[in-house]
Amino acid sequence: GQQVMQIPQYQHVQEGEDFTTYCNSSTTLSNIQWYKQRPGGHPVFLIQLVKSGEVKKQKRLTFQFGEAKKNSSLHITATQTTDVGTYFCASSGGSNYKLTFGKGTLLTVNP
Amino acid sequence: KAGVTQTPRYLIKTRGQQVTLSCSPISGHRSVSWYQQTPGQGLQFLFEYFSETQRNKGNFPGRFSGRQFSNSRSEMNVSTLELGDSALYLCASSLTDSPGEKLFFGSGTQLSVL
Repeated sequence: GQQVMQIPQYQHVQEGEDFTTYCNSSTTLSNIQWYKQRPGGHPVFLIQLVKSGEVKKQKRLTFQFGEAKKNSSLHITATQTTDVGTYFCASSGGSNYKLTFGKGTLLTVNP
Repeated sequence: KAGVTQTPRYLIKTRGQQVTLSCSPISGHRSVSWYQQTPGQGLQFLFEYFSETQRNKGNFPGRFSGRQFSNSRSEMNVSTLELGDSALYLCASSLTDSPGEKLFFGSGTQLSVL
């Protein structure tokens, strides 16, 4: 299956600061999905990117898919305490049905 | 519409025992996937079922098995439990088995092996 590497593993910010997590692969990804898991909760789907160079926004969140479809990023502008949680990227490949997850970035926000 | 339901929510077992976890997908969803989540390894894929057939399997030993019933409900079984099997086991459902389809996760079963 396709391997996706995610960095950083942890990120602590002051409320109001920006945050970015990156997802990288050595192979071309057919798609990339992003999930958020609140502490004590379960992963919740945020968005899917499919096209090369695609950029999607959800309020303060901006998602990008690289031109070569080998990397993706999630950027949060002006973090809030409600943004706390672990952000995962995930991808599936070709005829392989499974969704492979990155190890996630744990975001903590100091109020 | 009810979400993905996993039972039990918590489970404590001892080494050598076996355990069965249950997952009821969202109504109408026919694909069920299982993941193991640990602090060090993140979310690791166990297996995926669609229409009662195992479509894909992750790199876990044969002690981990699963099945899916005609109503799409799924169970996973772990035999001869080891300490390292302590983890949050997450079930996720999707409408079809299309690659890249978004997953809806249940709250998970937290398994502790003593």
